[in-house]
Amino acid sequence: AQKITQTQPGMFVQEKEAVTLDCTYDTSDPSYGLFWYKQPSSGEMIFLIYQGSYDQQNATEGRYSLNFQKARKSANLVISASQLGDSAMYFCAMGNNNDMRFGAGTRLTVKP
Amino acid sequence: SAVISQKPSRDICQRGTSLTIQCQVDSQVTMMFWYRQQPGQSLTLIATANQGSEATYESGFVIDKFPISRPNLTFSTLTVSNMSPEDSSIYLCSVGVSGRAKNIQYFGAGTRLSVL
Repeated sequence: AQKITQTQPGMFVQEKEAVTLDCTYDTSDPSYGLFWYKQPSSGEMIFLIYQGSYDQQNATEGRYSLNFQKARKSANLVISASQLGDSAMYFCAMGNNNDMRFGAGTRLTVKP
Repeated sequence: SAVISQKPSRDICQRGTSLTIQCQVDSQVTMMFWYRQQPGQSLTLIATANQGSEATYESGFVIDKFPISRPNLTFSTLTVSNMSPEDSSIYLCSVGVSGRAKNIQYFGAGTRLSVL
């Protein structure tokens, strides 16, 4: 069975600093995708970044990067140069052929 | 990516009534998904809806409580039937978009449901 674990219920970061949100996973599938989503207080789920299990390089999308350590089964999200608008819930997810499971989420608060 | 319109954005309903949530996509997609997010919780998959076939429900969700329609490749509805306060949640639809060896789910803005 697939399992996603986010151990940080809440995180604080100073504006303009970088922050790492942790995510570990467990699966017996050799092929899978790892995802991060942002959920502001409005409730929508915004796709941020994707990492395939066979990708050799860590994924990057603007200020977002995914620190993928396959042997450790971790897929941490790094947000650089935090902005006040980054304050939100962040969910890590793992999927295979559109069967996606989500972690419990981390609430990020950016301090001015 | 895909642009997904979900209606209504929020509603307050009386117990015992039903609410139908609509999800419209700007392109044809094979797979659509419905999730529930209870207050302070993560997302839980209710069912997968493929056009032309019955929806596939996850453990703990049944068709009588959450009937789903998928009449074409751009539209789906989820009905929350005989509501109780425990049904108060955010309901989200998503679509699976495939490309370049990856499948990504894009979400609508969600329906925030409160049941009194």
